[in-house]
Amino acid sequence: DTEVTQTPKHLVMGMTNKKSLKCEQHMGHRAMYWYKQKAKKPPELMFVYSYEKLSINESVPSRFSPECPNSSLLNLHLHALQPEDSALYLCASSQDFRLAGDNEQFFGPGTRLTVL
Amino acid sequence: AQSVTQLGSHVSVSEGALVLLRCNYSSSVPPYLFWYVQYPNQGLQLLLKYTTGATLVKGINGFEAEFKKSETSFHLTKPSAHMSDAAEYFCAVTSLSGGSYIPTFGRGTSLIVHP
Repeated sequence: DTEVTQTPKHLVMGMTNKKSLKCEQHMGHRAMYWYKQKAKKPPELMFVYSYEKLSINESVPSRFSPECPNSSLLNLHLHALQPEDSALYLCASSQDFRLAGDNEQFFGPGTRLTVL
Repeated sequence: AQSVTQLGSHVSVSEGALVLLRCNYSSSVPPYLFWYVQYPNQGLQLLLKYTTGATLVKGINGFEAEFKKSETSFHLTKPSAHMSDAAEYFCAVTSLSGGSYIPTFGRGTSLIVHP
């Protein structure tokens, strides 16, 4: 199974709402990533987990809170978002990124988030 | 430090014509190079990658790319474009930085295929 799944596919939320994005993979990958992607732009790295521990936080605002409950699951908790946070949120996984650089990333289909 | 430059935000070709998408990289250490494709409303999918060895790399859907160290390039080609190739294409580079290999993506090139 080389699939990364993400739920929900679409999410509309107000600025005072709390919501969560979910990501799951069963490839045995120990690195998992959250990216934000605006239209016609490349993915922007937000967070990287390695062996369920937060390894990289690209200075993301605290209204985004990642969580890695186990090696297969990755969540992104959202609270008090702004309209400019509307984007496609992509989850990806790979083999350990500290061992080698030839590991490809496997991406999920993304969650299209709209903040009103 | 590493970076990727993709020349041309849009490339337009006719169906059956040659596809050439350009990618130049900058890396202080030997790089690993990737091409990903993103179809509308989908995530990114690996087309091909260069690690070591043969500099001409073949990927899925008839695409191939050639690593040219002297030109610091990794251009993507396909002999004959198909309508289904219309998508966004991202070149990415990884090299060891700060003890980890995190990819850097180019800005992307939108491939438009005309009938």
